[in-house]
Amino acid sequence: GESVGLHLPTLSVQEGDNSIINCAYSNSASDYFIWYKQESGKGPQFIIDIRSNMDKRQGQRVTVLLNKTVKHLSLQIAATQPGDSAVYFCADLRRGYSTLTFGKGTMLLVSP
Amino acid sequence: KAGVTQTPRYLIKTRGQQVTLSCSPISGHRSVSWYQQTPGQGLQFLFEYFSETQRNKGNFPGRFSGRQFSNSRSEMNVSTLELGDSALYLCASSSGQAKTDTQYFGPGTRLTVL
Repeated sequence: GESVGLHLPTLSVQEGDNSIINCAYSNSASDYFIWYKQESGKGPQFIIDIRSNMDKRQGQRVTVLLNKTVKHLSLQIAATQPGDSAVYFCADLRRGYSTLTFGKGTMLLVSP
Repeated sequence: KAGVTQTPRYLIKTRGQQVTLSCSPISGHRSVSWYQQTPGQGLQFLFEYFSETQRNKGNFPGRFSGRQFSNSRSEMNVSTLELGDSALYLCASSSGQAKTDTQYFGPGTRLTVL
């Protein structure tokens, strides 16, 4: 069925590396996308969002890229730090709907 | 501003019992959404309340219900608990004015059904 999904369940990187977390979506009617970070024992925390009329959006150390042609979303984290270790979720809002649909999540492990 | 708070943080119940979870949104937020998080299914939307009215509902059985009070605090209730109801229950608040308003999550209530 239609869903927001993630390519890799676990991503291991070294401190200082750049991390890229990917997300595929299947619904072409999705017009708003969000990335959340969830640390152990905490609720998801908003990182960055992007609308479908944009290809790229930058935040502090994070960049989200949207490729509507292949229905692909990615989150890039620059100079990854141990504190970035968490599960990252992408979520989409489909046109005509008012609730978010979340992907299963990717665990990012950063080793010093 | 204080963040979203949820009580209790942990709960252990047995099959057949019922449970009530509470969520206090960020001050000024009128929308509260509830999600169930499990390792197998991820984050699944339960329902959203706005100004004391259920505005959206996910695909969960009628055993799952909720309500919102005039101060925007919300409760969700699960009756006749099943083992599969063991999960982290998260609530999120937003201003509720636009669909793209950022949702701010609480720490969750960890429910274990024995």
